[in-house]
Amino acid sequence: DTGVSQDPRHKITKRGQNVTFRCDPISEHNRLYWYRQTLGQGPEFLTYFQNEAQLEKSRLLSDRFSAERPKGSFSTLEIQRTEQGDSAMYLCASSPRTYTRHTNQETQYFGPGTRLLVL
Amino acid sequence: GQQVMQIPQYQHVQEGEDFTTYCNSSTTLSNIQWYKQRPGGHPVFLIQLVKSGEVKKQKRLTFQFGEAKKNSSLHITATQTTDVGTYFCAGKHPTDSWGKFQFGAGTQVVVTP
Repeated sequence: DTGVSQDPRHKITKRGQNVTFRCDPISEHNRLYWYRQTLGQGPEFLTYFQNEAQLEKSRLLSDRFSAERPKGSFSTLEIQRTEQGDSAMYLCASSPRTYTRHTNQETQYFGPGTRLLVL
Repeated sequence: GQQVMQIPQYQHVQEGEDFTTYCNSSTTLSNIQWYKQRPGGHPVFLIQLVKSGEVKKQKRLTFQFGEAKKNSSLHITATQTTDVGTYFCAGKHPTDSWGKFQFGAGTQVVVTP
């Protein structure tokens, strides 16, 4: 399977605990995105990397959230001191470097997501 | 702020019927993408529209980008049960950085056999 993978798929934690999620993009994809999705809503942009550089971070993202992509391959998203409002699906997506007939460098390939429940 | 709105929120369709879902932005978009998310699944890319008035077809799906590049539509003909899911549009505003798309809340489609 050469798609985007995310780990873990599910996470239950107690309020106040820290959690870390991992995303492995499609090989050779240089752009990586993190989104949050709650029930009945579309994905909400959190942050975006090009290679190892974090180019944009949503203003909606509090200081408790941090993301890294140290070697320009996999990425981690950490949430510190989790709150019940953090409960959501956290989606990762990646984009290719090059064009194909039906896709381009802005096409986003999503992973299966990590579902977080904060008790 | 810049928002991307989708209507309707829900669409109940009889199998074989046609329907259209709409995506509207308060400001001009540089391009727009459409994704489909099956129940319990993740968004899957369908198409990207870039040019004013652009129309693209994928089998029974027809995508259109408005002349003013502020709205888009997805029309599905002869709906099948495999069309079940939520359809999202994602717009990119000219002032946003490369790769940053704003998703609408989606249109959830339910198909009755």
